[in-house]
Amino acid sequence: GQQVMQIPQYQHVQEGEDFTTYCNSSTTLSNIQWYKQRPGGHPVFLIQLVKSGEVKKQKRLTFQFGEAKKNSSLHITATQTTDVGTYFCAGTGTSYGKLTFGQGTILTVHP
Amino acid sequence: GAVVSQHPSRVICKSGTSVKIECRSLDFQATTMFWYRQFPKQSLMLMATSNEGSKATYEQGVEKDKFLINHASLTLSTLTVTSAHPEDSSFYICSARDGLRQETQYFGPGTRLLVL
Repeated sequence: GQQVMQIPQYQHVQEGEDFTTYCNSSTTLSNIQWYKQRPGGHPVFLIQLVKSGEVKKQKRLTFQFGEAKKNSSLHITATQTTDVGTYFCAGTGTSYGKLTFGQGTILTVHP
Repeated sequence: GAVVSQHPSRVICKSGTSVKIECRSLDFQATTMFWYRQFPKQSLMLMATSNEGSKATYEQGVEKDKFLINHASLTLSTLTVTSAHPEDSSFYICSARDGLRQETQYFGPGTRLLVL
């Protein structure tokens, strides 16, 4: 079945440093979504990427979808303490299909 | 944005009892709802896909007789954990797919279940 691997599992940064988490799928994806989950909270949708090679930005966050639609990354520039949480990628193999979540990257930002 | 609610947010029960969790889409019709389970510091694991008016589709390893799912309307799906045991203690999260925007799922706030 479809597998989505995400690295790193943990990332500790000083406030102001950049952060990147990577996602790789065992199969070609129809689309990939990114979620953020704060400690004790539920996943909150951040963005969806659909097109091969797509790049989207949300303020300090940059999302990329690989040319082969099998990998993706989330980059945060100049992290802030409000960025702490777990970032999950989730992909669908076919349109309207079920989401397969990556393991998540737990981000800690030290002030 | 679309809102999904879950009730209760937290429940503590004795071993052997059954617990019902409700998932509602508040401002859109959800033909499909998903039920996930998340253990501490782990990812979300899909348990089942719930389609309005039909039987749920369970993922491999999920006991359908233990986790009963009912999707009676376009805005409500319920998950009943029957004869709960301590190992069922987890964070249960539902999501609903907007019938008009098929590829976007909106997550509920989750239900923390503790079985004593």
